[in-house]
Amino acid sequence: QKEVEQNSGPLSVPEGAIASLNCTYSDRGSQSFFWYRQYSGKSPELIMSIYSNGDKEDGRFTAQLNKASQYVSLLIRDSQPSDSATYLCAPRGSNYKLTFGKGTLLTVNP
Amino acid sequence: SAVISQKPSRDICQRGTSLTIQCQVDSQVTMMFWYRQQPGQSLTLIATANQGSEATYESGFVIDKFPISRPNLTFSTLTVSNMSPEDSSIYLCSVEEDEGAYGYTFGSGTRLTVV
Repeated sequence: QKEVEQNSGPLSVPEGAIASLNCTYSDRGSQSFFWYRQYSGKSPELIMSIYSNGDKEDGRFTAQLNKASQYVSLLIRDSQPSDSATYLCAPRGSNYKLTFGKGTLLTVNP
Repeated sequence: SAVISQKPSRDICQRGTSLTIQCQVDSQVTMMFWYRQQPGQSLTLIATANQGSEATYESGFVIDKFPISRPNLTFSTLTVSNMSPEDSSIYLCSVEEDEGAYGYTFGSGTRLTVV
């Protein structure tokens, strides 16, 4: 059973702070990793992808990957109230399918 | 990225009936995926639909309950059959971008309530 674990929420941060979201996965064959943002009542929206060990930055978002530790994270700098949502970690496994974590609910307080 | 039109957006159905959900993509895609998101839960893959072949179902999902059609490279349907209140969920279709290397795009979802 391929598993994806995310830090349990909810996570609450003040506006302007850094939000840190963590994810571990069990499928060592995973090569692609995706972070989705899901607003309440909406479908998931892809915000970051990462394929190689290290950091990948895109605006206020930084994804970090460590395949040896089977760990991927997402940092959101200068958090805004509009970032309040559930963040889903989704590795693309050795079966070429996405497996989703349960998600971390982030609340950014003005 | 691909644009997916999914309908209906929501429905309330009587137990024992069936509902067919449609997904239309604005470009040709090889594989389409159907997910279920139960209240407060994450996404669970129901099946993968390839054009011209039978859908491949994940463990715990069967064709009699969730028949899928994939008549061409831009369209798919998922039917939820003989519904019970436990089928109340959000159902989402998804397509892979660039053979999955660049993520997957989701339709807007169908919120199903079975009463």
